[in-house]
Amino acid sequence: AQTVTQSQPEMSVQEAETVTLSCTYDTSESDYYLFWYKQPPSRQMILVIRQEAYKQQNATENRFSVNFQKAAKSFSLKISDSQLGDAAMYFCAYRGDKIIFGKGTRLHILP
Amino acid sequence: DAGVIQSPRHEVTEMGQEVTLRCKPISGHNSLFWYRQTMMRGLELLIYFNNNVPIDDSGMPEDRFSAKMPNASFSTLKIQPSEPRDSAVYFCASSRQGGAFFGQGTRLTVV
Repeated sequence: AQTVTQSQPEMSVQEAETVTLSCTYDTSESDYYLFWYKQPPSRQMILVIRQEAYKQQNATENRFSVNFQKAAKSFSLKISDSQLGDAAMYFCAYRGDKIIFGKGTRLHILP
Repeated sequence: DAGVIQSPRHEVTEMGQEVTLRCKPISGHNSLFWYRQTMMRGLELLIYFNNNVPIDDSGMPEDRFSAKMPNASFSTLKIQPSEPRDSAVYFCASSRQGGAFFGQGTRLTVV
């Protein structure tokens, strides 16, 4: 069975600085997707960035980028120039046939 | 498109009552997922459908939980009878491929 592990329950970063959230996963499948979702206090789940496993190039969406290491089964999220609005829970997710989530990392932005 | 629509947004019910949660997926999406979110257990996948057919219901906690998808534009999650430990936020999400898009969730409180 596939698993997703986020080892950092909470993190803090100074506004305008860069922060990296970690995620590892386990799977025997070769074809899959990985995602990062953001959940602000409004509880809405927002898809931030996606990565197809067959693509070697790391995905980037504005200030958000990932470091995808397929052999190591690692998928970290880097947020550059952190803003107060980035404060939220961040979930790493894996999709083979179904989508499963890690436990989340709560990110605090310090003004 | 209006996105994934869930109703009701909030539900308070007494223990033993039947509860029905509703979901309208994004038009054209062929996969639908039901999740439950609690502080203790995080985001749990309860069941998912492909092309209106239930594929994996191994996450449904008990026989008290049932889900249906009678057509491509509607799904229900029913709890009968409800118990206080069912209190949680229930999310519906839909996708075509890749990442799923979430509804606003239903906060269920069973007293």
